[in-house]
Amino acid sequence: QVQLQESGPGLVKPSETLSLTCTVSGDSITSYYYWTWIRLPPGKGLEWVGHMHHGGTIYYNPSLKSRATISVDTSSNQFSLRLNSVTATDTAIYYCARHYFDISTGRYFFFMDVWGKGTTVTVSS
Amino acid sequence: EIVMTQSPATLSVSPGERATLSCRASQSVSSNLAWYQQKPGQAPRLLIHAASTRATGTPARFSGSGSGTEFTLTISSLQSEDFAVYYCQQYYSWPPLTFGQGTRLEIK
Repeated sequence: QVQLQESGPGLVKPSETLSLTCTVSGDSITSYYYWTWIRLPPGKGLEWVGHMHHGGTIYYNPSLKSRATISVDTSSNQFSLRLNSVTATDTAIYYCARHYFDISTGRYFFFMDVWGKGTTVTVSS
Repeated sequence: EIVMTQSPATLSVSPGERATLSCRASQSVSSNLAWYQQKPGQAPRLLIHAASTRATGTPARFSGSGSGTEFTLTISSLQSEDFAVYYCQQYYSWPPLTFGQGTRLEIK
């Protein structure tokens, strides 16, 4: 059974870079799937950050104005998020998750069927 | 960007009663809509995809309907464990993938 676990600093100073890692267990990150980052700011709704496929395809939420970088480390079965120039509005619970792949049809569907437990990141001096 | 709007923001219902949650898209998303349940301190959990297909493990009391721009999540007889926040998400047109702002289902 696939499991995802986020890790990274819980506190980041304004203007610095937020770095998070998602470790995938129970499956290979080089299998079919797209892997994604989503965040939940306090008092707000869920926001998609971006997603990647190990083959090199990456998409970001345009609202992040090119501050986000998602990368993969296949040797560690991990993928990562870096968000630079953070402000208080980047304070959130960050989740990594997996997008659904229908093996029977070979089609991707970009809802999330497996989630990590989330990690809280606070941006404050 | 497709904007998803959920209503109401908060819904108060008694256990055993029916709950109806709405989600509207700013443009058609066909049936490319998912519903998630999130309890405090937990990650979201997929309930429904393709507007009406229950995910593995989703109880039969949860049902989804709709297509195009109007969608509904119905919980036929509320159990204590159903009180949570519910989000809809469209995956028809992206980036970005977008969510509704959530409906909080609370005990009346």
